[in-house]
Order: sequence, then C-alpha cells, then structure tokens
Amino acid sequence: QKEVEQNSGPLSVPEGAIASLNCTYSDRGSQSFFWYRQYSGKSPELIMFIYSNGDKEDGRFTAQLNKASQYVSLLIRDSQPSDSATYLCAFLPSGTYKYIFGTGTRLKVLA
Amino acid sequence: ETGVTQTPRHLVMGMTNKKSLKCEQHLGHNAMYWYKQSAKKPLELMFVYSLEERVENNSVPSRFSPECPNSSHLFLHLHTLQPEDSALYLCASSQDGTSSYIFGPGTRLTVL
Repeated sequence: QKEVEQNSGPLSVPEGAIASLNCTYSDRGSQSFFWYRQYSGKSPELIMFIYSNGDKEDGRFTAQLNKASQYVSLLIRDSQPSDSATYLCAFLPSGTYKYIFGTGTRLKVLA
Repeated sequence: ETGVTQTPRHLVMGMTNKKSLKCEQHLGHNAMYWYKQSAKKPLELMFVYSLEERVENNSVPSRFSPECPNSSHLFLHLHTLQPEDSALYLCASSQDGTSSYIFGPGTRLTVL
C-alpha cells in the first residue's frame, strides 16, 4: 500500500518565523511531489511541485526533496497569519497516474 | 475562482433523494477526477476520466455514478446515499495523468 505520512499538527509558529512542514512517502520510485495549501472550507490549491533532489525556491516557499531518505519538506519563510491553513503533501508513485495525498498538516501562524 | 467550477456548492439531501454534482473545467485539460474529502482522512480518489474514458473506479459504491459527456464536463450522480457519505466532494483536472491538479471549489454534501 503506497502512502504518505504527515504530522497532523497543529504546528504553531510566531509571525515572521520559518515554518517547516515534513512529509515521508513510501514509493522509492516516485518522481513527482506536490504541496497543496487548503484553507478551511476551501479546496486545495497547488503551491509547489518538485521533481529533482535538492531545493526549489518560489518566493517565501522552499520545497526540499531527498529521494534517498524518501522525504519532502516545505519551508515557509517570514510566516504570516494568512499562511495559516492545512498543507497537503502528495506524490505520484511510479507507473501510475494516481496521486497519493497525505492527511495534511495544520499550520497556525500566531500574530 | 479557479478554472474548474463545481455546482452546487452546498447540497443537503435525504437518503432517498437523487441528485447530481456538476464539474466543468475551462483549462483544456484531458483528465478529470472526483475526490471525496472527509474529516481527518486523506483525499480519497473516486473516479478518473482521461479523454472522456473512465480509467479508474476505486471500489466506489454503486450509489455513486459518474458521467463524462465530454472532456470539459464531469458529473457525479447520487442516489440512495448514506449519512456517512456526507463529505466535501472535489473535482479536479489535469493536463494529463501525471501533471499537477487544479481543484474545483468543491461541493459540501450533507446526507440526512
């Protein structure tokens, strides 16, 4: 059973701090990894995707992928109260088109 | 709103009712999906359509019936649902089966 694990949180960080969200996945052959943000009562929206080992930066967001250790993380710099949401990690197992989603980590940025 | 729309946004129905959820994507994508999201559980894939053909039916009860008349529209027909079917139903589309999803706003379904 292919799966992804995330700490459900809540993860509380003060405004301006770095929020670090982590995710581990089961399929070593996976190639595509995604982070979605979901505000309460809303649908998920894509914020980052990463395919290669290492870091990928987009504004205040950095995705980090370590295929050897099978984890992917999301760093949010200068966290804002508007970043408070649930962050879903997803990956695409090799040889399939079915994404596997985690249960999400709830982030609370305290003003 | 995103390029994926869903109607209705909220639906309350009794267990003997028949209703349909509608999804429309304006992105020229080739794949469309139905997901169910329940509290404290990961997103559950229900159905996948690629180029209007159903390619996945994830052991979903027959009280859920999908329909994809063309690459832009996707329906989920509901009948004789159970209270445990109450959830957020999300439609998504992607360019192909391996690219990222764009989700619609979802339909919040309550079954009484």
